[in-house]
Amino acid sequence: EVKLQQSGDELVRPGASVKMSCKASGYTFTDYAMHWVKQSPGQGLEWIGTIIPLIDTTSYNQKFKGKATLTADKSSNTAYMELSRLTSEDSAVYYCARSTLDAWGQGASVTVSS
Amino acid sequence: DVVLTQTPPTLSATIGQSVSISCRSSQSLLDSDGDTYLNWLLQRPGQSPQLLIYSVSNLESGVPNRFSGSGSETDFTLKISGVEAEDLGVYYCMQATHAPLTFGSGTKLEIK
Repeated sequence: EVKLQQSGDELVRPGASVKMSCKASGYTFTDYAMHWVKQSPGQGLEWIGTIIPLIDTTSYNQKFKGKATLTADKSSNTAYMELSRLTSEDSAVYYCARSTLDAWGQGASVTVSS
Repeated sequence: DVVLTQTPPTLSATIGQSVSISCRSSQSLLDSDGDTYLNWLLQRPGQSPQLLIYSVSNLESGVPNRFSGSGSETDFTLKISGVEAEDLGVYYCMQATHAPLTFGSGTKLEIK
């Protein structure tokens, strides 16, 4: 069974950074790219970027350049996303999704509050 | 960026009714490789999105065949032939032909 297990919900201070993980199982991690998607409260879906773990190549939505950094660890089949200089606008649920969109993580909520 | 306009924004249906959702793109989604990367997703309340249809009309494995997709270039439709209670949620179209990938604003399906 293909599964993407995301790390837990986070409460972070404004101006801080947060790094979340997405552990893949049930398939060969390097055979697929990984998308990251943002869902703000009560809102729709936004594509943040994609990483190709096999060659460590990333592509970003221009809107999230400088905000999000995508990495992957092939040895642990885990993708990571770090969000920096957090503001209230970054409070949202973040999903990882396999590039074919047939598998999604359960989502990780980030709340930015002092 | 490609803008995907979904209509209607909300839909109320009775069990067994057939419904359609439209997704119109600001640009053609026909890729240079000949494929059209327009997908449909369903997000049930409190859940992650799930893939229903990929490349316009291909039913994802395990998805009931009451769901079907059609269209080309800039106009696409998701049809549910005989709504069931489990179909409630928000439906999104999503394109992966042009960067950045973009999503429609969603259509909320309510069951009467």
